[in-house]
Amino acid sequence: AQRVTQPEKLLSVFKGAPVELKCNYSYSGSPELFWYVQYSRQRLQLLLRHISRESIKGFTADLNKGETSFHLKKPFAQEEDSAMYYCALRGGSNYKLTFGKGTLLTVNP
Amino acid sequence: NAGVTQTPKFQVLKTGQSMTLQCAQDMNHNSMYWYRQDPGMGLRLIYYSASEGTTDKGEVPNGYNVSRLNKREFSLRLESAAPSQTSVYFCASSEQDQPQHFGDGTRLSIL
Repeated sequence: AQRVTQPEKLLSVFKGAPVELKCNYSYSGSPELFWYVQYSRQRLQLLLRHISRESIKGFTADLNKGETSFHLKKPFAQEEDSAMYYCALRGGSNYKLTFGKGTLLTVNP
Repeated sequence: NAGVTQTPKFQVLKTGQSMTLQCAQDMNHNSMYWYRQDPGMGLRLIYYSASEGTTDKGEVPNGYNVSRLNKREFSLRLESAAPSQTSVYFCASSEQDQPQHFGDGTRLSIL
């Protein structure tokens, strides 16, 4: 079975502060991890994929297999980063995604 | 550059009514998915179709049926709507091991 845990439902930071959204997973094989972002009442958009190791909108995430984590980080939060963030795991050959319950990030001015 | 298109965007139903949510993608993807999004629950997979002609149950399939009409279209049907099915429904598509692309969602309220 595969599981994704995002321990924080809500996260509030001030503009310019560092932000870290936590994601832990449970999967017996080699997972693929993603971060999706959903701005207010919009569709989900892919933010990061662990195998690409890119930095998108200043966000980075590193897969830590020892800690089974894929935390999302940004050194200086911006107000436009306010959104719902979902961590997702894909394992196996059927390409299904398992999502965490999401973290609502609010960046205050 | 439509991507994944869902119709309708909003719908209000009475308990017991039936309806079909439509989803179409123009990216020639083999796989398509239906999710529901509920507060505090994240996205949960209802049904998916790995390829044209195949469908499989996801995490929460009860009360729903799907049809993969062709490679482009994947519909979700509620035969007898219940208030517990009030939710935002998202369709997504992907090509094999590529990331999933999502539609704008359908907000469904059942009274």
